[in-house]
Amino acid sequence: AQKVTQAQTEISVVEKEDVTLDCVYETRDTTYYLFWYKQPPSGELVFLIRRNSFDEQNEISGRYSWNFQKSTSSFNFTITASQVVDSAVYFCALSEVNRDDKIIFGKGTRLHILP
Amino acid sequence: DAGITQSPRYKITETGRQVTLMCHQTWSHSYMFWYRQDLGHGLRLIYYSAAADITDKGEVPDGYVVSRSKTENFPLTLESATRSQTSVYFCASSTVIQGEVGFGSGTRLTVV
Repeated sequence: AQKVTQAQTEISVVEKEDVTLDCVYETRDTTYYLFWYKQPPSGELVFLIRRNSFDEQNEISGRYSWNFQKSTSSFNFTITASQVVDSAVYFCALSEVNRDDKIIFGKGTRLHILP
Repeated sequence: DAGITQSPRYKITETGRQVTLMCHQTWSHSYMFWYRQDLGHGLRLIYYSAAADITDKGEVPDGYVVSRSKTENFPLTLESATRSQTSVYFCASSTVIQGEVGFGSGTRLTVV
């Protein structure tokens, strides 16, 4: 069964520090998609990125970057020069294309950026 | 751009009552989903739908019923509410199952 593990339940860093959120997944499929979502204190869920299993290129979007490594089944998310506005719960998710197509989320990592 | 609208935003109901959470999307997305969010569990999929009249169970479907007679609506019904169903419920939609999933604002349900 597909599974997403976010081992870090809660992280606190001081503003301007870099922080990496870990995501490890399990799947029997060769074709799958990985996602990251942000949930700020207001409660809405904001899409950040989608990556398919055939594209292992790392992605950078401003202060955000993602490191996808199939060899370790990881899709880690790094925030560079963190800001207080980055404080949120971050969810990693997985969807297997050739099975039941469900999008399954990890339990989330609560990130506190301290001023 | 209304996107996904969930109603009500907050609901308190009594154990044993039937309650329906509404979800309406204006994007004409084919896929729709219901998730519940609980502390320590993250987001868990309750039911999803690939198109009108097609629904499938997710991880935690027991005690819930869904229907999708129209593409834009995907109501979630708790047939006989229990305290364990106290949660925040999110409706979501997507063009394809692996596409970007857009979420509603959530419904906070309390069962007393």
